[in-house]
Amino acid sequence: EVQLVESGGDLVQSGRSLRLSCAASGFTFKNYAMNWVRQAPGKGLEWVSSISGSGGTSIYADSVKGRFTISRDNSKNMVYLQMSGLRAEDTATYYCAKLYFDNLTGSPWGQGTLVTVSS
Amino acid sequence: QSALTQPASVSGSPGQSITISCTGTNSDVGSYNLVSWYQQHPGKAPKVIIYEASKRPSGVSDRFSASKSGNTASLTISGLQAEDEADYYCCSYAGSTTWVFGGGTKLTVL
Repeated sequence: EVQLVESGGDLVQSGRSLRLSCAASGFTFKNYAMNWVRQAPGKGLEWVSSISGSGGTSIYADSVKGRFTISRDNSKNMVYLQMSGLRAEDTATYYCAKLYFDNLTGSPWGQGTLVTVSS
Repeated sequence: QSALTQPASVSGSPGQSITISCTGTNSDVGSYNLVSWYQQHPGKAPKVIIYEASKRPSGVSDRFSASKSGNTASLTISGLQAEDEADYYCCSYAGSTTWVFGGGTKLTVL
């Protein structure tokens, strides 16, 4: 079964840092780009960042560029989101997701992990 | 990186059909067939119901259909059922490994 499980969400003060983790299983992880998507309370989905299967290419939404860093460890089937300089507007549930659909693995999402930034 | 445009809400009675539009630009919806639709029930993670603009994953009801023309994608749900009440999001590839979501549409089944 294809599965993504996020962890690391917490209540943090504005300006601090936090690292989210996503554990993948059930598919050949290194073959696929992975993404982080967030959803502020009561709001819509916002794409945050993507990383290629090899980890060699990453890209960010303008709203987090320069503050967030995506990375992956293909030996552990893990993807990470290092968040620094957190702001109140970063408060959201963060989902790990494979957005490109293919018939073998679909487009799985994790259950989400909540990050709350207090000012 | 502007969000795709969706109506904030739509509603319909059981058995009826509704359509949700998703308007983007030449840089996203208009350039790629990589448009997906997600269904999200309260407190749950989004679930893909349409991929590549009009394809349905295995296990998704055939009451869900979708199409794309130019910069606009559309999702149609026929034979509305109470369980269809949820938020619906479109998502398009926007080049250079970036993605963009619509603002979401709340479907109410009357």
